[in-house]
Amino acid sequence: DAKTTQPPSMDCAEGRAANLPCNHSTISGNEYVYWYRQIHSQGPQYIIHGLKNNETNEMASLIITEDRKSSTLILPHATLRDTAVYYCIAASSNTGKLIFGQGTTLQVKP
Amino acid sequence: GAVVSQHPSWVICKSGTSVKIECRSLDFQATTMFWYRQFPKQSLMLMATSNEGSKATYEQGVEKDKFLINHASLTLSTLTVTSAHPEDSSFYICSANRGGNQPQHFGDGTRLSIL
Repeated sequence: DAKTTQPPSMDCAEGRAANLPCNHSTISGNEYVYWYRQIHSQGPQYIIHGLKNNETNEMASLIITEDRKSSTLILPHATLRDTAVYYCIAASSNTGKLIFGQGTTLQVKP
Repeated sequence: GAVVSQHPSWVICKSGTSVKIECRSLDFQATTMFWYRQFPKQSLMLMATSNEGSKATYEQGVEKDKFLINHASLTLSTLTVTSAHPEDSSFYICSANRGGNQPQHFGDGTRLSIL
């Protein structure tokens, strides 16, 4: 599975959009980009995933660059409850294995 | 609502005992489930892939005789930590895959403390 690189931490003001970047320059053609988040002492929560097209759901939007070497997770209106560690993972659906990096700790501030 | 249930959510036991953790997919059949371990302030580490009806596949460095995995049905995988010691204390998390390119869903984890 391709390695991903994320900034270790970010701050965001409550009510503003949170844009979390992820670099996956070695991603292969059959690997999807998955985003999960983990709130303290809980299991990871699925947010969104995509292959090459931009995706949007009720939680977030995922913007994938045309060359697929990077992506951005957008939380349109961050709330205090969005404070968590956000993981970007590039993985093939064939194996199903998710290899977690260190993620980005997002702190939403009032 | 939760699609993967994990039980128990926390357990405290004495050194030398064995502890079983259950992971159930609630509304779908999962031919594959995964077990992770997470130490404080660290990321999740994949321990093994649990395959229904066959032997689990362990990641490098994970002792298969220490962490017994059984996936006897399409909705249940169990992880047994045998002869647990204080260094086995950790947060254990399972996940289940619906298949295809569908995302994995995770349980809420089991916090294991060995005294």
